[in-house]
Formats: sequence, structure tokens, C-alpha cells
Amino acid sequence: DAGVIQSPRHEVTEMGQEVTLRCKPISGHDYLFWYRQTMMRGLELLIYFNNNVPIDDSGMPEDRFSAKMPNASFSTLKIQPSEPRDSAVYFCASSLGTENNSPLHFGNGTRLTVT
Amino acid sequence: GNSVTQMEGPVTLSEEAFLTINCTYTATGYPSLFWYVQYPGEGLQLLLKATKADDKGSNKGFEATYRKETTSFHLEKGSVQVSDSAVYFCALKRGFQKLVFGTGTRLLVSP
Repeated sequence: DAGVIQSPRHEVTEMGQEVTLRCKPISGHDYLFWYRQTMMRGLELLIYFNNNVPIDDSGMPEDRFSAKMPNASFSTLKIQPSEPRDSAVYFCASSLGTENNSPLHFGNGTRLTVT
Repeated sequence: GNSVTQMEGPVTLSEEAFLTINCTYTATGYPSLFWYVQYPGEGLQLLLKATKADDKGSNKGFEATYRKETTSFHLEKGSVQVSDSAVYFCALKRGFQKLVFGTGTRLLVSP
């Protein structure tokens, strides 16, 4: 299994530009999560999907952030317009089910720098 | 609500030293408990887990015991290696609720 695949690994962009982060979950997993990690706030859950449907987006910081999952093998997180305070590492994770003992499988993240 | 508290790092040890990273939790009912590890430049990966009281999770020489009486899940390893240098996250999950992570503890092991 290739694991959760995220692209790009690194993204550097200027303030005001649109940024799109991509994720391919593990085949067969029915839950997909987007997290943001910063030194100041640690690991934050932004949004998660079940069977391609957004279930909880209460962690999405602002309307500038949006996430989609058009099919079971692909999800995007978009920031428009981007701001310097969005600089962070963004992780995608997937799991099979969400029972007590189903672990999350994380991708290697996208390091976003907004100048 | 559910929460996890971890000791602040960094924890700095010499190779072959004994490791303990403390984790306590607050939750209703009977959550499952996890330790995740994040190596530099990578995402988090599951290290071990325990799903009920008195269970011991173990992997790669690491162990943690689910202690309901003290609401703790401390991570231990008898002899750390330089390659164990990473950030360790304690987490809990109850039923269909979201996984709740601690703030992470950085471990630095020197030769």
C-alpha cells in the first residue's frame, strides 16, 4: 500500500494567491481528515469527510478555506486568498471506519509558506 | 470535554537511557488511547494503542499501560536510541468522536 499521498510537499506563494493542496487517501478508507500543524497551535483538525461527504468543518478557520472530496480517492484543501498566517504544515489522514480503535494514517504533509 | 495532557518537552536523553513521557487524559466513559510518533519531515504514525483498562500497548520496544484509576497512559522505553528522536503525541478516542491529540513531546537522544 502506498499510504496517504499528499502533493505538493512544499509550496511557497505570495500573499493573496490561491493555494490548492491535494490528497489521495488509502484505497478503501472511508474517512478523510485535514489537519494543520504549527508551533504555536500544535495539531488542529480542520475538517473531515465520511464517504466523500463533509461531516464536521468547525475547525476551518475562515471562509478563505474550503475543502472538497469529489470522489473516494481524492480531496483538495484550498486557501483563497492566502495570508502569511496560513503558513503551516498541512496534513491529510485517512482511516477505515471511526470506531474506538481505528487508527489514522497520515501523509507526509505539505509545508506551506506564504510570503 | 475530552482532553489529553502531555509533559512539555524537549526531553533530552543519552543513548541507552530509560524514557518516560507522561500522558494523562480526561474523558467520559471508556476511550481508546494511542501514542503517535512524528519523525522529522514526516506525518504522524501510530506507535501503539490500548483499548481498555489495564491493556498494555507495545511496539518497537515502547510500552504504555492504560491506567483508568490514574487516567494515565505513560509512554516508556527501556533503552532509547538516537533513531528514536522524534515528537510523540498522546491521543484518545471515544466511540465515533474525533481523535483528540495532546500537544506533543519532543524527544532528543544524543549518542
